[in-house]
Order: sequence, then C-alpha cells, then structure tokens
Amino acid sequence: DTGVSQNPRHKITKRGQNVTFRCDPISEHNRLYWYRQTLGQGPEFLTYFQNEAQLEKSRLLSDRFSAERPKGSFSTLEIQRTEQGDSAMYLCASSLTSGRRRDTQYFGPGTRLTVL
Amino acid sequence: AQSVTQLDSQVPVFEEAPVELRCNYSSSVSVYLFWYVQYPNQGLQLLLKYLSGSTLVKGINGFEAEFNKSQTSFHLRKPSVHISDTAEYFCAVSDNNDMRFGAGTRLTVKP
Repeated sequence: DTGVSQNPRHKITKRGQNVTFRCDPISEHNRLYWYRQTLGQGPEFLTYFQNEAQLEKSRLLSDRFSAERPKGSFSTLEIQRTEQGDSAMYLCASSLTSGRRRDTQYFGPGTRLTVL
Repeated sequence: AQSVTQLDSQVPVFEEAPVELRCNYSSSVSVYLFWYVQYPNQGLQLLLKYLSGSTLVKGINGFEAEFNKSQTSFHLRKPSVHISDTAEYFCAVSDNNDMRFGAGTRLTVKP
C-alpha cells in the first residue's frame, strides 16, 4: 500500500514540550495539506504546500506551529510549547494538482496528540 | 469564503433502510464538493466527489449524491444501509486550494 502515512500515530506529551509529526505523501503527489480535527468536529485546514513551497496558512496556525516540506516530499509539523488546547488529531493529505485540474485529496491515518 | 453546514449531527437508522445525510454549502466561486467517511481511529476515505458535469454522482459502497446548485446542497443517499456503514460522514467544499469540512454526521445503523 503506497498511501499517505503519518508518524507517530499517537503522541502523549506534557504541556510546554515540543512535538514533531511527520507525513509521507503519495510519492507522485505535488500538494500536501495539514489539517487539525478535534473531537466531534470536521477537519480544519491548517496549511498546504505545493512541492516545497508553503502557499497558504490558516489563522489557526499560530506562531507556535511550523510546517516544512524541505525537498517537496515528506513534511513535518512542529508544535512548540504545547498547550492542552493543542490536543487533537492532526491529519495529513496529499493530491496531484496541476493548473486548474482538481484532484482528490487522499488522507493519512492521522496523529493523535494528547497534551497533559 | 466557503463554508459547509451538515444539518444533522446524528442519524440513527435500521439496517436495510434508506438514508439521506444532508449538506448545504456556501461559496462565492465555483466549487467542488466531496463526501468523505471516517471510521473510528482512521483517516478520511473519499466516498464520492462532484467536480463538474452530471449532477448525480455515484460513489463507493453504494452511495450517491446529487449536486443542486439552486439549493446549494449536496445530499448523500444510500437506498439500503448495512451495519458496516456505521461511521462519521463529512461533507466538504473546495475551491482550487484549501478544503472546508462540515462538522460531520454520525450515521449509526442498528440491526
């Protein structure tokens, strides 16, 4: 299976610690998205990359959050000085998009973060 | 800006009964519409999508949805549900960039 993978699947941390999540998209996909999903809610857009360029960031992405996609392949999402409100499922998705052609976003299984 | 409203947070239904999960959207530009399903502790799986063309879209697992531009709706239907359809269902709207999701509808199929 060459779908989107995310690691770790679960992360428990203490408030104030830094955490980093990794997403490996489907290999030929040029776009990579990060979403956050809290209990009982739909995913909320955080940011997306086209190749290595970060093209859009949501207002939800505070300055404690940073995302990178250094070689246009895998991506990392880092949260510094975690707060209890950061507890959520962090979802990654990828798509192959060119020009006006719209393609489907394929989602990974998510990383569930619990901040104690 | 675009947004999605899923009108029912929970839908209980008996096995083999028909079901409709309702979704309304708002957008100032042409949109693309999606339905995703999420099983417990898993990511989202695409059920179906509307990009253009026929307003009746067929997806996996026997689901279909109809795009109604005048009513800005994209309701999901299945004529006969199974126990295995129990899951959370998300409607989503997208321009060519980011995607906005509804809050989800929890479908519970009872024997």
